[in-house]
Amino acid sequence: QVQLQESGPGLVKPSETLSLTCTVSGGSISSYYWSWIRQPAGKGLEWIGRMYVSGSTNYNPSLMSRVTMSIDTSKNQFSLKLNSVTAADTAVYYCARDMTVRFDPWGQGTLVTVSS
Amino acid sequence: EIVLTQSPGTLSLSPGERATLSCRASQSVSSSYLAWYQQKPGQAPRLLIYGASTRATGIPDRFSGSGSGTDFTLTISRLEAEDFAVYYCQQYGGSRYTFGQGTNLEI
Repeated sequence: QVQLQESGPGLVKPSETLSLTCTVSGGSISSYYWSWIRQPAGKGLEWIGRMYVSGSTNYNPSLMSRVTMSIDTSKNQFSLKLNSVTAADTAVYYCARDMTVRFDPWGQGTLVTVSS
Repeated sequence: EIVLTQSPGTLSLSPGERATLSCRASQSVSSSYLAWYQQKPGQAPRLLIYGASTRATGIPDRFSGSGSGTDFTLTISRLEAEDFAVYYCQQYGGSRYTFGQGTNLEI
């Protein structure tokens, strides 16, 4: 079955760019949308944005100005870049297959801390 | 933006009891685009229900979803120890997603 795994630096300095990659295994990335979702410690879930293989994207308006997503079909990966980060961006970041009606499955999540 | 408000914030019950979790939307949501997730500490959320009432693969039939418009409900008919977790509702509309703030189901 499809599995997702996030990877990237666990520590990012304020004002720099957070970069994460999600590797999809057990299925092709060339179908469905693929989303990023984050969760600050002890808080709820926030959708960041999604991307389709065609390049079509939708972003959360609250983050739109700082977010870029991309897909690499040759590696079956999709990526997230969030620039100008602050401590408020510290969270567990999840990638998920986006079937519009539902997110399934999810990656295990990766903690990103923004600190100098 | 459609805001989802879940109630109660915390629900304290015992194994064997029935749990009823509510998700209210600030405006009408298509039933097709309403989902529920379960999250245990240190784990990613797990899809339980989509399309307001369709159980995801492998989800026990003690979990059921209902509702339409602005009011949706997740019911767990007979709680088992493994069901104590945080539950989130989620909707899709206007090319964006929002989640409720979660209900903590505790023993």
